[in-house]
Amino acid sequence: AQSVTQLGSHVSVSEGALVLLRCNYSSSVPPYLFWYVQYPNQGLQLLLKYTTGATLVKGINGFEAEFKKSETSFHLTKPSAHMSDAAEYFCAVGPRAGNMLTFGGGTRLMVKP
Amino acid sequence: GAGVSQTPSNKVTEKGKYVELRCDPISGHTALYWYRQSLGQGPEFLIYFQGTGAADDSGLPNDRFFAVRPEGSVSTLKIQRTERGDSAVYLCASSSGTGRNTGELFFGEGSRLTVL
Repeated sequence: AQSVTQLGSHVSVSEGALVLLRCNYSSSVPPYLFWYVQYPNQGLQLLLKYTTGATLVKGINGFEAEFKKSETSFHLTKPSAHMSDAAEYFCAVGPRAGNMLTFGGGTRLMVKP
Repeated sequence: GAGVSQTPSNKVTEKGKYVELRCDPISGHTALYWYRQSLGQGPEFLIYFQGTGAADDSGLPNDRFFAVRPEGSVSTLKIQRTERGDSAVYLCASSSGTGRNTGELFFGEGSRLTVL
């Protein structure tokens, strides 16, 4: 069985500040890990993913995430927030066989001017 | 098509009615997924198709929910005897499902179902 916990349903940062969105997972097999973003009235869009290899993964719009097996974490970061980053972010874990993803509850990121 | 297309985008129905939601995946994608997203929650897996067959339907909440994909492309999610608790956004996603599995799903914008 797999599960994802996103700590903090709402995160507020000032424009230009560091963004840190937390994700912890549980998986009985080595996981694939994903971050998706959902802008208002739009579909989920892939930000980045970890499958194998380098544990620091870079994605679109300046976001990156680091897979830490010992901490079962995959936190999402961005050095400097933009107003356009305001959205809902979802962490997801998948098995190595088959594509069914299990999503966390989401974190709504608010960016203050 | 260029992306995953879902219709209708909004559906309002009365308790007890039957509803169909349609998903047209990205051309050539063999895998298709249905998720349900309730307000303030993450997407919840319902069912996964590989080709025409349901490879995993463990997420369907009860026998009022059924999905088909008869020709391995378009899929329809069917909900019988709708209840107010069925109100949610129903998301469809597709993936290539071939070669080395990279796990990325491509999502549509969803069908918002409201049961009065």
